[in-house]
Amino acid sequence: DTAVSQTPKYLVTQMGNDKSIKCEQNLGHDTMYWYKQDSKKFLKIMFSYNNKELIINETVPNRFSPKSPDKAHLNLHINSLELGDSAVYFCASSQDRAGGLVREQFFGPGTRLTVL
Amino acid sequence: DQQVKQNSPSLSVQEGRISILNCDYTNSMFDYFLWYKKYPAEGPTFLISISSIKDKNEDGRFTVFLNKSAKHLSLHIVPSQPGDSAVYFCAASDGVSLVFGQGTRLTINP
Repeated sequence: DTAVSQTPKYLVTQMGNDKSIKCEQNLGHDTMYWYKQDSKKFLKIMFSYNNKELIINETVPNRFSPKSPDKAHLNLHINSLELGDSAVYFCASSQDRAGGLVREQFFGPGTRLTVL
Repeated sequence: DQQVKQNSPSLSVQEGRISILNCDYTNSMFDYFLWYKKYPAEGPTFLISISSIKDKNEDGRFTVFLNKSAKHLSLHIVPSQPGDSAVYFCAASDGVSLVFGQGTRLTINP
């Protein structure tokens, strides 16, 4: 039973389209994240949600909007897709430690987005 | 500004030998460090971690060493096995988020 799952695994779309990537975790974790792995293979945090509230919002275009309907789900909506959005997007989750510290994160398999 | 750096993009080691992967960081606010392993078309998998109050943590074939004064950590894998071939990411935490290095591709040769 997959702990952190993402759909779809592959997404190919035209420039200008709007698309969504879904993420679900069945670990009972409090915090969920979206990361982007760019062409240089860097993994960079985009968003962090704790109990349905936005905690971290790194400098990403406002075309990207996370939506958390409940603690187990964090979806990523992308409007007006651009060529530079092509990347692998990873969802992750973690259980906050005492004091709210974030430590180990568990990752989904990734969604490879290709914008043509 | 890359706060966590893995300066070796790739490493090749013979099966049975020791693999040593290195990582440097610049932010002294980091107090927890992790290593992740990633296979192609999969997400990173947590491997081992170390708190800044320690200088060594061991788990089976995997040992992580932390040198706070040098802001350097390393992952030792001994003995190396073919299944260890993967990309290894080091990550550092300030309690709020993780910052990842760019990864080192480890290849174990038979």
